[in-house]
Amino acid sequence: QKEVEQDPGPLSVPEGAIVSLNCTYSNSAFQYFMWYRQYSRKGPELLMYTYSSGNKEDGRFTAQVDKSSKYISLFIRDSQPSDSATYLCAMRPHSSASKIIFGSGTRLSIRP
Amino acid sequence: NAGVTQTPKFQVLKTGQSMTLQCAQDMNHEYMSWYRQDPGMGLRLIHYSVGAGITDQGEVPNGYNVSRSTTEDFPLRLLSAAPSQTSVYFCASSRSEDLNTGELFFGEGSRLTVL
Repeated sequence: QKEVEQDPGPLSVPEGAIVSLNCTYSNSAFQYFMWYRQYSRKGPELLMYTYSSGNKEDGRFTAQVDKSSKYISLFIRDSQPSDSATYLCAMRPHSSASKIIFGSGTRLSIRP
Repeated sequence: NAGVTQTPKFQVLKTGQSMTLQCAQDMNHEYMSWYRQDPGMGLRLIHYSVGAGITDQGEVPNGYNVSRSTTEDFPLRLLSAAPSQTSVYFCASSRSEDLNTGELFFGEGSRLTVL
């Protein structure tokens, strides 16, 4: 079983919709949680980072962490065609800053 | 403003051949790493380095070697290429203090096909 599970999609929604992207994980030692965005044929780039449980908001993006359920989410409000990309969750334990584990990514398409 | 530069962008090898994927960063980052990305598998850590002269294994190190003789460069060597090593390879770097936030800076990737 993978340490981090993520639905690969593809997910297609109309412009303006609210998007929900999710990951589950099995390692209770994970404390730092990230979301990366990857455009086609490019390297991933960090979108948001959260430490431990709770919510974090940045513009149209909200990251949620529920450690009791080992479940993290990324919400995108007022989605735009420019949000079309693959979104990868990533996480690491407190004790090991060097080993960041990634999910397989969800491919998202926003229809104009 | 180069960031993380990977070469070559594309490479085709025959089984058993060796080659080196190059990675260079100009941001004076202490941490550098190599990932491979395969469909349905996400990014998997191959090797990483926390500074010049220091390297360690990630999740999938078999068949790959690395060295870190300078802060700027972190080459990945395939000793005897196998079809299972067909993948897209990403090099990433970070300042040590930014690892807390998980901020890795990635190159644009090197697409390798092994026939």
